Amino acid sequence: NAGVTQTPKFRVLKTGQSMTLLCAQDMNHEYMYWYRQDPGMGLRLIHYSVGEGTTAKGEVPDGYNVSRLKKQNFLLGLESAAPSQTSVYFCASSGHYYEQYFGPGTRLTVT
Amino acid sequence: GENVEQHPSTLSVQEGDSAVIKCTYSDSASNYFPWYKQELGKRPQLIIDIRSNVGEKKDQRIAVTLNKTAKHFSLHITETQPEDSAVYFCAATRVDSSYKLIFGSGTRLLVRP
Repeated sequence: NAGVTQTPKFRVLKTGQSMTLLCAQDMNHEYMYWYRQDPGMGLRLIHYSVGEGTTAKGEVPDGYNVSRLKKQNFLLGLESAAPSQTSVYFCASSGHYYEQYFGPGTRLTVT
Repeated sequence: GENVEQHPSTLSVQEGDSAVIKCTYSDSASNYFPWYKQELGKRPQLIIDIRSNVGEKKDQRIAVTLNKTAKHFSLHITETQPEDSAVYFCAATRVDSSYKLIFGSGTRLLVRP
């Protein structure tokens, strides 16, 4: 039981490049979330999903897209990376009992 | 939408002393309030949570109190130990169909040996 995993762990992009971050969970959770964490700003919700095939915007969705084609996976895409998207990205999942389980994070640097 | 403010941003205490971190929220419909601990370089992990139908919850050395009227809740850590050093985040949500959390900005707690 791996819990929540994220791929990749680290990535460096040039401005304008695109990439996809993968989140996978093996707990059969309905809900999945993508956050970004910046110094002094806590965790901010980017997008979330309440079930397979659904997505919704969070607090800071601009510049990101998501897809949830399979229940266990939640993908976060950056179509044209900007330096302002340099951050640590965390994925999380939860069932019907509130607690969110976080993945180990992806450290992204955009130069 | 919901807004959560957290204070202080940093807190330094002597080992064995108590630490208190406070959060306020704006949405009176919020009814679930978790606290997460994040050690350096690690992922956030839930340490305690409280729902709006109770005013206090304890788990060994940690406790959370909730004042719905004033819309604030607090984390209390007693008999602090060096391993309590970490960043603590409060969060709030209205439990509906999404369970999405709005986090405070975090408190860096340092416990001095």
